[in-house]
Amino acid sequence: GAVVSQHPSWVICKSGTSVKIECRSLDFQATTMFWYRQFPKQSLMLMATSNEGSKATYEQGVEKDKFLINHASLTLSTLTVTSAHPEDSSFYICSAQPPGPNGETQYFGPGTRLLVL
Amino acid sequence: AQSVTQLDSQVPVFEEAPVELRCNYSSSVSVYLFWYVQYPNQGLQLLLKYLSGSTLVKGINGFEAEFNKSQTSFHLRKPSVHISDTAEYFCAVRSGGYNKLIFGAGTRLAVHP
Repeated sequence: GAVVSQHPSWVICKSGTSVKIECRSLDFQATTMFWYRQFPKQSLMLMATSNEGSKATYEQGVEKDKFLINHASLTLSTLTVTSAHPEDSSFYICSAQPPGPNGETQYFGPGTRLLVL
Repeated sequence: AQSVTQLDSQVPVFEEAPVELRCNYSSSVSVYLFWYVQYPNQGLQLLLKYLSGSTLVKGINGFEAEFNKSQTSFHLRKPSVHISDTAEYFCAVRSGGYNKLIFGAGTRLAVHP
């Protein structure tokens, strides 16, 4: 149980285009999802907290107009990197937090590797 | 403010040897503690967690960790490692009442034959 998927697993795009990444909780409903960014050989950096039916809460220094987050349902959150540039190339990982007894635990997706040319 | 310190960036060890990955945290309130493992080009997999109760927590793949409140530590141990345990290990803390996980910098475990 507690499986989280991400799509796509990797994407290559041209500079200036937008890329959408989906995060789905497959066997539970998640009122809260999180988006992280990970640079090579580094830890995870929280970008934003996504709550179903409300606006995402962004961490300091993360541009909300560049990284658009939509949490339209209890099983789906999307991250759109708008007008992507090479410096946006990174590994993006989402996590989902189930309600109830396991609500303290975040379950992570497999990640999406983005390369902007 | 919460913080997590993983004292070793890399830990080399021979196959079948025991290993300990160290983690210390700072928090002024009660905490939940987690260890995650990340294999190359993959997301994070939960190894184990401490929420309350027994301070010795057993997880998957033969790993265990002990919560030590007085030393604010949550070290991860395995009595006999395998080549397949080679991965990056992250310690994380979450304070009660807050959703955010604070991660350590990670420890690269390299198991050699």
